[in-house]
Amino acid sequence: EPEVTQTPSHQVTQMGQEVILRCVPISNHLYFYWYRQILGQKVEFLVSFYNNEISEKSEIFDDQFSVERPDGSNFTLKIRSTKLEDSAMYFCASSLAGGVLTFGAGSRLTVL
Amino acid sequence: RKEVEQDPGPFNVPEGATVAFNCTYSNSASQSFFWYRQDCRKEPKLLMSVYSSGNEDGRFTAQLNRASQYISLLIRDSKLSDSATYLCVVGFNFGNEKLTFGTGTRLTIIP
Repeated sequence: EPEVTQTPSHQVTQMGQEVILRCVPISNHLYFYWYRQILGQKVEFLVSFYNNEISEKSEIFDDQFSVERPDGSNFTLKIRSTKLEDSAMYFCASSLAGGVLTFGAGSRLTVL
Repeated sequence: RKEVEQDPGPFNVPEGATVAFNCTYSNSASQSFFWYRQDCRKEPKLLMSVYSSGNEDGRFTAQLNRASQYISLLIRDSKLSDSATYLCVVGFNFGNEKLTFGTGTRLTIIP
């Protein structure tokens, strides 16, 4: 079964450092997403990406966040200057169409 | 009012029992509806999409009531492997989806 792969599985960083989380979506999917889940809380939408541009973003996705699809396979989330409250599980997802998303296993980010 | 509201549980149910979860959503313009399951510290996995006509997949039955903005999930003959958190998920558009998740309902099946 095709899957979305994410790296790293866990990253620990100091406050103020830049972090890049990487994702390889399912190869024939057209829509790409980042969601996050703070421990004990609900899954929250960050950003959606289609046709090489951001199609929608939430208020969480401020100027500290950016996404990129640098080549035909990777989809990255960059946090420029991490804050303590950025500690969460970050899930990448992709979909062909129609709203059925496939999620990756997540990257756990711990900001100290 | 929360965008997607679920009873957080926990529901502790004996193996073989039937269990039902409910969910309400606030945006009447929502277009797509799903149940996902999430195991502890894992990613959400699609359990089933939910249609107005209701749909069934083996032991799982989902119903949508657009007038009441209410979604339900019924699990029959529950198994130990059904223990998980069940997430009610609502989308506004087809295709380019910003999904809104409920906080989830935690289910534990007791042997």
